[in-house]
Parts: sequence; C-alpha cells; structure tokens
Amino acid sequence: AQSVAQPEDQVNVAEGNPLTVKCTYSVSGNPYLFWYVQYPNRGLQFLLKYITGDNLVKGSYGFEAEFNKSQTSFHLKKPSALVSDSALYFCAVRPGTSGTYKYIFGTGTRLKVLA
Amino acid sequence: DTGVSQDPRHKITKRGQNVTFRCDPISEHNRLYWYRQTLGQGPEFLTYFQNEAQLEKSRLLSDRFSAERPKGSFSTLEIQRTEQGDSAMYLCASSWAANTGELFFGEGSRLTVL
Repeated sequence: AQSVAQPEDQVNVAEGNPLTVKCTYSVSGNPYLFWYVQYPNRGLQFLLKYITGDNLVKGSYGFEAEFNKSQTSFHLKKPSALVSDSALYFCAVRPGTSGTYKYIFGTGTRLKVLA
Repeated sequence: DTGVSQDPRHKITKRGQNVTFRCDPISEHNRLYWYRQTLGQGPEFLTYFQNEAQLEKSRLLSDRFSAERPKGSFSTLEIQRTEQGDSAMYLCASSWAANTGELFFGEGSRLTVL
C-alpha cells in the first residue's frame, strides 16, 4: 500500500533556530513529493516539490527539503525559523509511474516556533 | 483572484439531510480533486476528475457520496442522508494534467452535521 508518514505530531523550535519536519514515504516507482502548509481555517498552500534532479529543493518562504531515495525520506528544513512559520505542515506523495494521479497526504506536523 | 473557489464555506445541517458543495477550479486546470479533512488529520482522497471523466474514487466514499463535473469545469460533491460522521472540511483542488506539479487548493467547505 502506498503511504506517507509524518512521525512527529508536533515540533517545537525557538525562533532563529533551524527546523526540520520529517516525512517518509512508501510508494511504487519514482515518487513526486510535495510539502504544503496550512494556516487555521485556510486551505493548503504549496511550499515546494521534488520531481527529479537535485536532491535538495528550495521553495517558498525560505523552506527547503532534501530527498533521500535510500531512506525514502523527504524532510522539510529551514535554516532559521520565524514565529510566523507556526502552522500545520503536510507532506504528500504522488506515485510517478503507476498510472494514478492521486496525491496521498501524511497526517500533518504542527510546527510551533517560540519567540 | 482566479484561484480555486468553493461554496459554501460553511454548512450546518441536520442528520438525514442532503448537502451539495460546489468547486470552481482554476480555469486552465483540467484535473479536479476532492479531499476530506477531519480535525487533526491529513486530507483523505475522495475522488478526482480529468475533464469530465471521474477517473478514480476512494473506497472510503460510500454510496451516499457522489461527485460530478458535467462540463469539465466546475464540480459538485453531494452527500445524501448526512450522518454525524460526515462532519469535516471538504477540500477541492485542481491541477494541470500536463504538469507533474502541485495541486492548488481552495479554502474548503466545512460541514457540520447535527
């Protein structure tokens, strides 16, 4: 079965410190990987994606993510956290070659950046 | 703004009533998705369309749920004989089929079944 795991329900980090939000996946073929952010009572906003190429991808608001094929991971990172980064973050995967265009989401990680 | 729009944003209904949600995707997008999100959970896939064809439907979707996209533009999601367990945020998203990229989400329609 294809799945996405976000092992941490919540991550707390002090403002100015680096942050990491973890994501691992299990899909057949080469996956397309995504990170989204959700603010209260809002829809999901796209942050960044990995399709192919360089394992380190950069996205919106200073976020980046590292694709690791051997560990089947796609962790979200930011060198210096801001209080305004506090939100709910979702990792998503779309199987690249299985003929489905369904996107599978993780359960989310709540990020709290403390001033 | 020409993003994905959903209507209504909030719906409160009594158990047993029917409800319908509408989604207008970004105009050039030919794929349209419906997801359901409950508190503290990630979006759960319900169904998706390419143009007017419904290509995949989740087994989570009971016979009480139906979605249509009759002209390949807007879509409706109808829930018949609502149950309290249907209370959730219903999210619509769209994408361009020729793109390997991301989904664009609407703000969601929140359903409360009393």
